[in-house]
Amino acid sequence: GDSVTQMEGPVTLSEEAFLTINCTYTATGYPSLFWYVQYPGEGLQLLLKATKADDKGSNKGFEATYRKETTSFHLEKGSVQVSDSAVYFCALSEGLYSGGSNYKLTFGKGTLLTVNP
Amino acid sequence: GAVVSQHPSRVICKSGTSVKIECRSLDFQATTMFWYRQFPKKSLMLMATSNEGSKATYEQGVEKDKFLINHASLTLSTLTVTSAHPEDSSFYICSAEAGTNYNEQFFGPGTRLTVL
Repeated sequence: GDSVTQMEGPVTLSEEAFLTINCTYTATGYPSLFWYVQYPGEGLQLLLKATKADDKGSNKGFEATYRKETTSFHLEKGSVQVSDSAVYFCALSEGLYSGGSNYKLTFGKGTLLTVNP
Repeated sequence: GAVVSQHPSRVICKSGTSVKIECRSLDFQATTMFWYRQFPKKSLMLMATSNEGSKATYEQGVEKDKFLINHASLTLSTLTVTSAHPEDSSFYICSAEAGTNYNEQFFGPGTRLTVL
Protein backbone atom coordinates (compact mmCIF):
# COMPACT_ATOMS: atom_id res chain seq x y z
CA GLY A 1 0.00 0.00 0.00
CA ASP A 2 0.88 3.65 -0.10
CA SER A 3 3.13 5.08 2.57
CA VAL A 4 4.95 8.27 3.44
CA THR A 5 8.13 8.47 5.48
CA GLN A 6 9.35 11.79 6.76
CA MET A 7 12.24 12.66 9.01
CA GLU A 8 11.45 12.45 12.65
CA GLY A 9 11.76 15.52 14.75
CA PRO A 10 11.77 17.52 16.62
CA VAL A 11 13.81 19.97 14.60
CA THR A 12 15.06 23.06 16.39
CA LEU A 13 16.60 25.92 14.42
CA SER A 14 17.60 29.48 14.98
CA GLU A 15 15.84 32.23 13.08
CA GLU A 16 17.14 32.69 9.51
CA ALA A 17 18.58 29.17 9.39
CA PHE A 18 18.06 26.89 6.38
CA LEU A 19 15.39 24.23 6.74
CA THR A 20 15.13 20.82 5.11
CA ILE A 21 12.55 18.23 6.09
CA ASN A 22 12.97 15.00 4.16
CA CYS A 23 10.02 13.09 2.79
CA THR A 24 9.97 9.91 0.71
CA TYR A 25 7.01 7.90 -0.46
CA THR A 26 5.91 4.60 -1.90
CA ALA A 27 2.90 4.43 -4.17
CA THR A 28 1.52 2.12 -6.81
CA GLY A 29 0.60 4.83 -9.29
CA TYR A 30 1.40 8.48 -9.87
CA PRO A 31 0.36 10.28 -6.75
CA SER A 32 -0.04 13.94 -6.02
CA LEU A 33 2.21 15.11 -3.19
CA PHE A 34 1.48 17.62 -0.47
CA TRP A 35 2.95 19.40 2.50
CA TYR A 36 0.53 20.40 5.23
CA VAL A 37 1.29 22.60 8.23
CA GLN A 38 -0.41 22.51 11.61
CA TYR A 39 0.16 25.55 13.79
CA PRO A 40 -0.38 25.17 17.53
CA GLY A 41 -4.06 24.82 18.32
CA GLU A 42 -5.16 24.94 14.71
CA GLY A 43 -6.20 22.53 11.98
CA LEU A 44 -4.03 21.38 9.11
CA GLN A 45 -3.49 23.83 6.29
CA LEU A 46 -2.23 23.02 2.84
CA LEU A 47 1.21 24.56 2.46
CA LEU A 48 2.07 23.45 -1.07
CA LYS A 49 1.49 20.66 -3.52
CA ALA A 50 2.81 19.08 -6.71
CA THR A 51 0.78 16.87 -9.00
CA LYS A 52 3.38 15.41 -11.36
CA ALA A 53 7.05 14.60 -11.62
CA ASP A 54 9.46 17.56 -11.62
CA ASP A 55 6.74 19.96 -10.48
CA LYS A 56 7.85 22.39 -7.80
CA GLY A 57 5.35 23.51 -5.22
CA SER A 58 6.05 26.76 -3.41
CA ASN A 59 4.34 28.97 -0.87
CA LYS A 60 5.42 31.42 1.86
CA GLY A 61 9.09 30.85 1.02
CA PHE A 62 8.78 27.06 1.28
CA GLU A 63 9.56 24.84 -1.71
CA ALA A 64 9.40 21.17 -2.54
CA THR A 65 10.14 19.39 -5.82
CA TYR A 66 8.42 16.17 -6.90
CA ARG A 67 11.29 13.76 -7.65
CA LYS A 68 9.94 10.59 -9.19
CA GLU A 69 13.37 9.00 -9.61
CA THR A 70 14.08 9.20 -5.89
CA THR A 71 10.41 9.10 -4.79
CA SER A 72 11.00 12.18 -2.69
CA PHE A 73 9.35 15.50 -1.91
CA HIS A 74 11.69 17.26 0.49
CA LEU A 75 10.54 20.53 2.05
CA GLU A 76 13.00 23.44 2.09
CA LYS A 77 13.07 27.04 3.20
CA GLY A 78 16.06 29.31 2.95
CA SER A 79 15.47 31.40 6.04
CA VAL A 80 13.02 30.30 8.71
CA GLN A 81 11.16 32.60 11.04
CA VAL A 82 9.82 32.09 14.55
CA SER A 83 6.32 32.10 13.06
CA ASP A 84 7.20 28.97 11.06
CA SER A 85 7.18 26.93 14.27
CA ALA A 86 4.60 24.21 13.65
CA VAL A 87 4.17 20.55 12.78
CA TYR A 88 4.74 19.74 9.12
CA PHE A 89 3.12 16.74 7.42
CA CYS A 90 4.06 15.24 4.11
CA ALA A 91 1.20 13.46 2.36
CA LEU A 92 0.24 11.79 -0.88
CA SER A 93 -3.00 11.17 -2.70
CA GLU A 94 -3.61 8.66 -5.45
CA GLY A 95 -6.58 10.58 -6.69
CA LEU A 96 -7.93 11.81 -9.95
CA TYR A 97 -4.66 11.96 -11.81
CA SER A 98 -3.94 8.35 -10.93
CA GLY A 99 -7.36 7.14 -11.87
CA GLY A 100 -8.40 6.79 -8.27
CA SER A 101 -12.00 7.10 -7.27
CA ASN A 102 -11.42 9.38 -4.35
CA TYR A 103 -8.73 11.56 -2.94
CA LYS A 104 -7.70 9.77 0.21
CA LEU A 105 -4.62 11.26 1.79
CA THR A 106 -1.86 9.16 3.28
CA PHE A 107 0.19 11.13 5.81
CA GLY A 108 3.66 10.90 7.22
CA LYS A 109 4.04 11.07 10.98
CA GLY A 110 4.74 14.77 11.08
CA THR A 111 7.82 16.77 12.00
CA LEU A 112 7.73 19.32 14.78
CA LEU A 113 9.73 22.43 13.90
CA THR A 114 10.69 24.94 16.56
CA VAL A 115 12.39 28.16 15.51
CA ASN A 116 14.08 30.16 18.23
CA PRO A 117 14.69 33.92 18.00
CA GLY B 1 -12.73 30.77 1.48
CA ALA B 2 -12.86 26.98 2.02
CA VAL B 3 -13.38 27.05 5.78
CA VAL B 4 -14.26 23.90 7.70
CA SER B 5 -15.49 24.03 11.27
CA GLN B 6 -15.84 21.35 13.91
CA HIS B 7 -17.99 21.31 16.99
CA PRO B 8 -17.26 20.83 19.79
CA SER B 9 -13.58 21.70 19.94
CA ARG B 10 -13.13 19.55 23.01
CA VAL B 11 -15.39 17.19 24.94
CA ILE B 12 -15.04 15.14 28.08
CA CYS B 13 -17.45 12.30 28.66
CA LYS B 14 -17.95 9.29 30.87
CA SER B 15 -17.20 5.79 29.71
CA GLY B 16 -20.22 4.19 28.06
CA THR B 17 -21.78 7.38 26.75
CA SER B 18 -22.02 8.48 23.12
CA VAL B 19 -20.51 11.63 21.70
CA LYS B 20 -21.40 13.38 18.45
CA ILE B 21 -18.89 15.55 16.58
CA GLU B 22 -20.04 17.84 13.78
CA CYS B 23 -18.03 18.86 10.74
CA ARG B 24 -19.31 21.71 8.57
CA SER B 25 -18.05 23.26 5.36
CA LEU B 26 -18.93 26.92 5.86
CA ASP B 27 -18.55 28.46 2.43
CA PHE B 28 -18.58 25.58 -0.01
CA GLN B 29 -20.41 22.35 -0.67
CA ALA B 30 -18.58 19.14 0.02
CA THR B 31 -19.73 15.94 -1.62
CA THR B 32 -17.01 14.08 0.22
CA MET B 33 -15.75 14.51 3.76
CA PHE B 34 -13.12 12.53 5.58
CA TRP B 35 -12.69 11.65 9.23
CA TYR B 36 -9.23 11.19 10.72
CA ARG B 37 -7.88 10.24 14.10
CA GLN B 38 -4.61 11.71 15.31
CA PHE B 39 -2.66 10.08 18.10
CA PRO B 40 0.09 11.92 20.01
CA LYS B 41 3.28 12.04 17.97
CA LYS B 42 1.62 9.94 15.29
CA SER B 43 0.26 10.70 11.91
CA LEU B 44 -3.32 11.24 10.99
CA MET B 45 -5.04 7.94 10.36
CA LEU B 46 -7.98 7.96 7.98
CA MET B 47 -11.00 6.39 9.62
CA ALA B 48 -13.65 6.74 6.95
CA THR B 49 -14.74 8.54 3.83
CA SER B 50 -18.16 10.12 4.03
CA ASN B 51 -20.17 10.75 0.88
CA GLU B 52 -23.31 12.84 0.93
CA GLY B 53 -26.42 10.75 0.67
CA SER B 54 -24.70 7.37 0.87
CA LYS B 55 -23.08 5.10 3.42
CA ALA B 56 -19.61 5.92 4.63
CA THR B 57 -16.65 3.83 3.53
CA TYR B 58 -14.61 2.69 6.50
CA GLU B 59 -10.92 1.89 6.53
CA GLN B 60 -9.76 -1.53 7.55
CA GLY B 61 -9.82 -2.00 11.29
CA VAL B 62 -12.32 0.78 12.01
CA GLU B 63 -15.52 -0.45 13.64
CA LYS B 64 -18.44 0.99 11.71
CA ASP B 65 -20.87 0.24 14.52
CA LYS B 66 -18.75 2.15 16.98
CA PHE B 67 -17.95 5.15 14.81
CA LEU B 68 -21.22 6.13 13.16
CA ILE B 69 -20.93 8.60 10.30
CA ASN B 70 -23.79 10.51 8.75
CA HIS B 71 -23.40 12.90 5.82
CA ALA B 72 -26.91 14.25 5.56
CA SER B 73 -26.20 17.38 3.54
CA LEU B 74 -23.50 18.89 1.35
CA THR B 75 -22.24 20.97 4.24
CA LEU B 76 -22.53 18.69 7.27
CA SER B 77 -21.08 15.36 8.32
CA THR B 78 -21.29 13.94 11.83
CA LEU B 79 -19.20 11.35 13.63
CA THR B 80 -20.79 9.66 16.63
CA VAL B 81 -18.56 7.68 18.94
CA THR B 82 -20.91 5.17 20.53
CA SER B 83 -20.35 3.63 23.96
CA ALA B 84 -17.09 5.50 24.30
CA HIS B 85 -14.20 3.98 26.24
CA PRO B 86 -10.96 5.56 27.48
CA GLU B 87 -9.07 4.07 24.51
CA ASP B 88 -11.26 6.16 22.22
CA SER B 89 -9.71 9.30 23.68
CA SER B 90 -8.00 11.04 20.81
CA PHE B 91 -7.96 14.04 18.51
CA TYR B 92 -10.54 13.67 15.74
CA ILE B 93 -10.14 15.75 12.60
CA CYS B 94 -12.45 16.09 9.63
CA SER B 95 -11.72 17.40 6.19
CA ALA B 96 -13.91 18.36 3.28
CA GLU B 97 -13.11 18.08 -0.36
CA ALA B 98 -13.79 21.14 -2.46
CA GLY B 99 -15.16 19.93 -5.75
CA THR B 100 -13.50 22.64 -7.82
CA ASN B 101 -9.97 21.68 -6.75
CA TYR B 102 -9.15 18.07 -7.27
CA ASN B 103 -7.03 16.43 -4.65
CA GLU B 104 -7.45 19.32 -2.23
CA GLN B 105 -8.95 18.79 1.17
CA PHE B 106 -9.67 21.51 3.71
CA PHE B 107 -9.31 20.54 7.33
CA GLY B 108 -11.28 21.39 10.41
CA PRO B 109 -9.50 22.46 13.61
CA GLY B 110 -10.12 19.12 15.29
CA THR B 111 -12.02 17.86 18.33
CA ARG B 112 -10.22 16.64 21.43
CA LEU B 113 -12.20 13.75 22.97
CA THR B 114 -11.38 12.60 26.48
CA VAL B 115 -13.25 9.59 27.86
CA LEU B 116 -13.04 9.16 31.60
